[in-house]
Amino acid sequence: GAGVSQSPRYKVAKRGQDVALRCDPISGHVSLFWYQQALGQGPEFLTYFQNEAQLDKSGLPSDRFFAERPEGSVSTLKIQRTQQEDSAVYLCASSLSGRTDHEKLFFGSGTQLSVL
Amino acid sequence: QKEVEQDPGPLSVPEGAIVSLNCTYSNSAFQYFMWYRQYSRKGPELLMYTYSSGNKEDGRFTAQVDKSSKYISLFIRDSQPSDSATYLCATKGTGGFKTIFGAGTRLFVKA
Repeated sequence: GAGVSQSPRYKVAKRGQDVALRCDPISGHVSLFWYQQALGQGPEFLTYFQNEAQLDKSGLPSDRFFAERPEGSVSTLKIQRTQQEDSAVYLCASSLSGRTDHEKLFFGSGTQLSVL
Repeated sequence: QKEVEQDPGPLSVPEGAIVSLNCTYSNSAFQYFMWYRQYSRKGPELLMYTYSSGNKEDGRFTAQVDKSSKYISLFIRDSQPSDSATYLCATKGTGGFKTIFGAGTRLFVKA
């Protein structure tokens, strides 16, 4: 497909469980972003990659959150020891270069994480 | 105070109405402003962007920025049921790469 693909679409985890969320950006897109969207809220920035380099992780809520993009394409967001407050939709977005202010972000449909 | 403030609604209008969606922002250094549309269980998609102050029109949509009052607006003319979605205003942070979103306004257009 031509768009940003995220998997799984839905994830239910028991509190304390580790989860891994996958993002396949548009082929050739240099920049990749992770956002967290709580119910009824706008997306909140988590982290940003340019190729394989993680340039900003200031939005990660705690050290239980970890993201990687080892080969500059697919990215994984990992959450360790999940807590109920981690329940949200996790959105991945990519853009061609990330170098221009008005560059369009392309979003995936997100992974809805529910922690019980 | 959040960097971008937006009334979450919901806003319900009859088909054919003119819709006005609004946001305020806090940092006068912000230059680029965007409107994203998000359908239920989908990711946001870019509708329009504007730079600095002024208007930009695209079909039934008009985006307006007033930097003096730090106010951004989206107008939808001849609204359609297919316009029912959440509309997110957004801006680029001063770092240039991070997009900052408002909370989103849920819009319902009734046939």
